[in-house]
Amino acid sequence: QKEVEQNSGPLSVPEGAIASLNCTYSDRGSQSFFWYRQYSGKSPELIMFIYSNGDKEDGRFTAQLNKASQYVSLLIRDSQPSDSATYLCAVKGDILTGGGNKLTFGTGTQLKVEL
Amino acid sequence: EAGVAQSPRYKIIEKRQSVAFWCNPISGHATLYWYQQILGQGPKLLIQFQNNGVVDDSQLPKDRFSAERLKGVDSTLKIQPAKLEDSAVYLCASSYGTGSSYEQYFGPGTRLTVT
Repeated sequence: QKEVEQNSGPLSVPEGAIASLNCTYSDRGSQSFFWYRQYSGKSPELIMFIYSNGDKEDGRFTAQLNKASQYVSLLIRDSQPSDSATYLCAVKGDILTGGGNKLTFGTGTQLKVEL
Repeated sequence: EAGVAQSPRYKIIEKRQSVAFWCNPISGHATLYWYQQILGQGPKLLIQFQNNGVVDDSQLPKDRFSAERLKGVDSTLKIQPAKLEDSAVYLCASSYGTGSSYEQYFGPGTRLTVT
C-alpha cells in the first residue's frame, strides 16, 4: 500500500465549477497535511496546510481533513483556467510517535479547467 | 527575498558518468532538503540537513549518491556512477526549521537526463 495515494487524473472541470481533489494516507501517526500546486516544468508551491480535523478555508481553496478515515481533500471553488496544474498531497508524521518528520508526497492529481 | 537557487538547470550525461548539483537555500534557513522527482511521480525525499548535520538520509541510495552541506549553507548532491533510472528532476528545498509549521520553499530544480 502506498503511503499517500491520489488519483492521477486528469480531472477535468468547467470554468467556474468546484474542483474536488482527494488524498488518502496510510500512517495513522501523520500529524500535518499539505497541498502543493505544481505547474508543468515548475517546482511545487504550497497552497494550504491543515493540522486539525474539519475544514480550513483560504480564499477559493478549502482543505478538509478526516483523521479517522485517513482522508484529506482540497476543494477549489470558482475554478479558473490558471488553476490547471498538478496538485500534490503531502503528509508529515510526528517524530515523537515514530512517524518521522519528513514530507511524503503522493503522485499528484492533474487538474484541467476548461473554458 | 531571494528564493532557493539551484544549478545547473539542465544536465545530460551518459550512464556511468558522474554529476553534481548545487543548491543555495534561502538566507537564514537552517533546514535543507534534496528531493528526486521522477516524471509522473511526486517528489521523494533523498536527504534532509539541519544546519550541516544529516537528519534523514534513509532514502538516499548511498552506493551512488552523496550529499554534503559543509558550512551549513550551500549544499551539493553528487551521483557517481549515474544509471538510466536516475533521470529525474532534482529539487532542493529549504525551511527555517524542521517543525510542521515551517513551510518548505522549493528551488527551480535540475533536470537530469541519463542516456
